[in-house]
Amino acid sequence: DTAVSQTPKYLVTQMGNDKSIKCEQNLGHDTMYWYKQDSKKFLKIMFSYNNKELIINETVPNRFSPKSPDKAHLNLHINSLELGDSAVYFCASSQDWAGDNEQFFGPGTRLTVL
Amino acid sequence: RKEVEQDPGPFNVPEGATVAFNCTYSNSASQSFFWYRQDCRKEPKLLMSVYSSGNEDGRFTAQLNRASQYISLLIRDSKLSDSATYLCVVNRGTSYDKVIFGPGTSLSVIP
Repeated sequence: DTAVSQTPKYLVTQMGNDKSIKCEQNLGHDTMYWYKQDSKKFLKIMFSYNNKELIINETVPNRFSPKSPDKAHLNLHINSLELGDSAVYFCASSQDWAGDNEQFFGPGTRLTVL
Repeated sequence: RKEVEQDPGPFNVPEGATVAFNCTYSNSASQSFFWYRQDCRKEPKLLMSVYSSGNEDGRFTAQLNRASQYISLLIRDSKLSDSATYLCVVNRGTSYDKVIFGPGTSLSVIP
């Protein structure tokens, strides 16, 4: 069974479109994250949710809107896509929000904006 | 200064070699430290946590130096399968703890 799953794995779209990425974890964790890894491979946190509550929002444009319907799911909606949004987006989860826990990552969603 | 910095790499080493990576962090309040491994076009996975007393897992040894604010990872007897990017990860030590990923160091083990 996949611990953290994301869909879709690949997303190719035109500038200006709106798209969503879904994430689910079956580990029973309280905390979920969205990370962006750009072409330079630098992994940067975007958002973190703990038990459906937003706890970290790292100065991400408000075109990005996360939604957590329950603690096992964290989705990411992106409005008005721009070329600079092209990256790999990773979802992750950890047992809780304390920084000493292992984070488990999904396989990533490779977004290409044309 | 960036919060977490690593040797830029890439490191190209022959099989069987010993290789060491260093990582420095800027926040003296940081409490938790990790090494993650990321294979090409894959997700990061935890390699090992780094404890104050240092820790060893098979061919891998991690050390923490709080006074100098750096972490090291030593890989002995390198295998081809060790080829990956190694990410140093540090928790920020603020009220909502947040881990910061370093830029990573690329390792290629050559036959």
